[in-house]
Amino acid sequence: EAGVTQSPTHLIKTRGQQATLRCSPISGHTSVYWYQQALGLGLQFLLWYDEGEERNRGNFPPRFSGRQFPNYSSELNVNALELEDSALYLCASSLVVGSTGQGTDTQYFGPGTRLTVL
Amino acid sequence: GIQVEQSPPDLILQEGANSTLRCNFSDSVNNLQWFHQNPWGQLINLFYIPSGTKQNGRLSATTVATERYSLLYISSSQTTDSGVYFCAVNSGGYQKVTFGTGTKLQVIP
Repeated sequence: EAGVTQSPTHLIKTRGQQATLRCSPISGHTSVYWYQQALGLGLQFLLWYDEGEERNRGNFPPRFSGRQFPNYSSELNVNALELEDSALYLCASSLVVGSTGQGTDTQYFGPGTRLTVL
Repeated sequence: GIQVEQSPPDLILQEGANSTLRCNFSDSVNNLQWFHQNPWGQLINLFYIPSGTKQNGRLSATTVATERYSLLYISSSQTTDSGVYFCAVNSGGYQKVTFGTGTKLQVIP
């Protein structure tokens, strides 16, 4: 069974540009999560998509956005890039148990996309 | 929001030694996971353990939900165990996972 895949592996952009990161979940998983791991800041929750809808987002500005496609793959878009957006962006997928998302199944992570903003 | 703290922050072990990593959380949780992040940044799921005890080879984990902590045990450590260990919790119905501060483990031969 294929795991979570992410592309590209590395991405270099300059300030003010836009970045698009992609994630394909494990087959059968409907939920996709995005996390940011910036140097010295640990792992921060960004976004949760399930069944094509944004269900929750972390404490990030609106220039961080995304979407989930009918095949459950997902895109993370970061507009107006700033230097502090340089980070490892991790995507995870899981099944979701329950109508409100409580008691979720295990999250499985992709290898990440390392974004560098110059 | 919920606070998740891990201890110790750093740990150096001789190969073959045992260790215990701790995760404390400030509120009740729906689920808890332990992850190992290898030196290349890949996060590997170790345990999904909202309560009780689980074992997988040299690793085992125990979560005492009523006392708001979880422990990860590593026995007979190997150099490949090096990396950062995170616990992550979900404390509501909205899948907003909160990660702990991490324990950086270095196993030396």
